[in-house]
Amino acid sequence: EAGVTQSPTHLIKTRGQQATLRCSPISGHTSVYWYQQALGLGLQFLLWYDEGEERNRGNFPPRFSGRQFPNYSSELNVNALDLEDSALYLCASSPRGRGLTGELFFGEGSRLTVL
Amino acid sequence: QQQVKQSPQSLIVQKGGISIINCAYENTAFDYFPWYQQFPGKGPALLIAIRPDVSEKKEGRFTISFNKSAKQFSLHIMDSQPGDSATYFCAASHPNTGKLIFGQGTTLQVKP
Repeated sequence: EAGVTQSPTHLIKTRGQQATLRCSPISGHTSVYWYQQALGLGLQFLLWYDEGEERNRGNFPPRFSGRQFPNYSSELNVNALDLEDSALYLCASSPRGRGLTGELFFGEGSRLTVL
Repeated sequence: QQQVKQSPQSLIVQKGGISIINCAYENTAFDYFPWYQQFPGKGPALLIAIRPDVSEKKEGRFTISFNKSAKQFSLHIMDSQPGDSATYFCAASHPNTGKLIFGQGTTLQVKP
């Protein structure tokens, strides 16, 4: 069974540009979560999508946005990139409801570097 | 109130020894407490999780101990092996929000 896949693996952007990160969940999983793992800050919750709807977002500015498609894949968009956005962006999936018990399946992440 | 405090930041243990990582929380509304293991270049992987109405849960060499009154929980890795060398994160689930609050992580090195 394929795990959570994320693309691109690495992305380099300059300040002010936009970045789009993509995530394919495990087959059968309907919930997708995005986390930011910045150096020294641990994992920070960004967004939760379930059945195509945004269910919750973390304490991040509106320039962080995303969506979930009918096939449950998801993308994360970061507009007006700032140096502090440099981080590993992790996508996770879970069967519906199971994520509420903390059972998430993470991908390997997309490393975003902002210059 | 939303924080989960994890200690130590790093840990070195000899092969065969016991690794102990501790976490503390403030928000009594948290309803699940998972532990994740992360190897370099990989995403975190769920190790074991516990509910606050359970005092201990064991899976193989990994045991979570939970002290609800002290608002603390810990991960014990028995018979630690070099292959256990990784970063470990405790977390707490905020009910019905889909949000996990993670500790800062503990880098474990098991020496052969």
